[in-house]
Amino acid sequence: GQNIDQPTEMTATEGAIVQINCTYQTSGFNGLFWYQQHAAEAPTFLSYNVLDGLEEKGRFSSFLSRSKGYSYLLLKELQMKDSASYLCAVKSGQNFVFGPGTRLSVLP
Amino acid sequence: ETGVTQTPRHLVMGMTNKKSLKCEQHLGHNAMYWYKQSAKKPLELMFVYNFKEQTENNSVPSRFSPECPNSSHLFLHLHTLQPEDSALYLCASSQESMGPTNPAFFGQGTRLTVV
Repeated sequence: GQNIDQPTEMTATEGAIVQINCTYQTSGFNGLFWYQQHAAEAPTFLSYNVLDGLEEKGRFSSFLSRSKGYSYLLLKELQMKDSASYLCAVKSGQNFVFGPGTRLSVLP
Repeated sequence: ETGVTQTPRHLVMGMTNKKSLKCEQHLGHNAMYWYKQSAKKPLELMFVYNFKEQTENNSVPSRFSPECPNSSHLFLHLHTLQPEDSALYLCASSQESMGPTNPAFFGQGTRLTVV
């Protein structure tokens, strides 16, 4: 089976750091991807990991542990525009399997 | 602008209508996808095309019929839909290879309402 879990909602303060966790159990693994989706808009690609470790891209970093089936997205220096849903997805075979998404609210 | 364009952006149709959703990608990718996004549910894969060949059909009802005439265009033909089919339909594309995994890039979606 395919199962991806994320917290449903998170709240953080402008300027702070927030970590969004993702755990997965999938029948195959060819990479883990993070997407940002604002309301009524398309998901946009943020970051991905194929090997264990940390990938850094500006204010966003993503970490992967394949043995633990675990990833996190780290957002630094939060801005109001970072309020959005963050989707964790695993490439399994031909398919990108998506988690339910984490709705992040950034407060002033 | 992601390089993936979907039309129309919004569609309202009756249960007896026939309509089509269109997707075009300008990224030179060889794989295209249809996803359904309903409220409070994860994105659900509907169809995958790789090099114009359908490689996955995720148990989608026959009232949804995909068509991929070439690697840049993807259609979703709709007929006799149900109100529960109302959702955001997202098209995506990616470059499939034997080497590194590449991300999928999404279009803006078609917001479909079935009345």
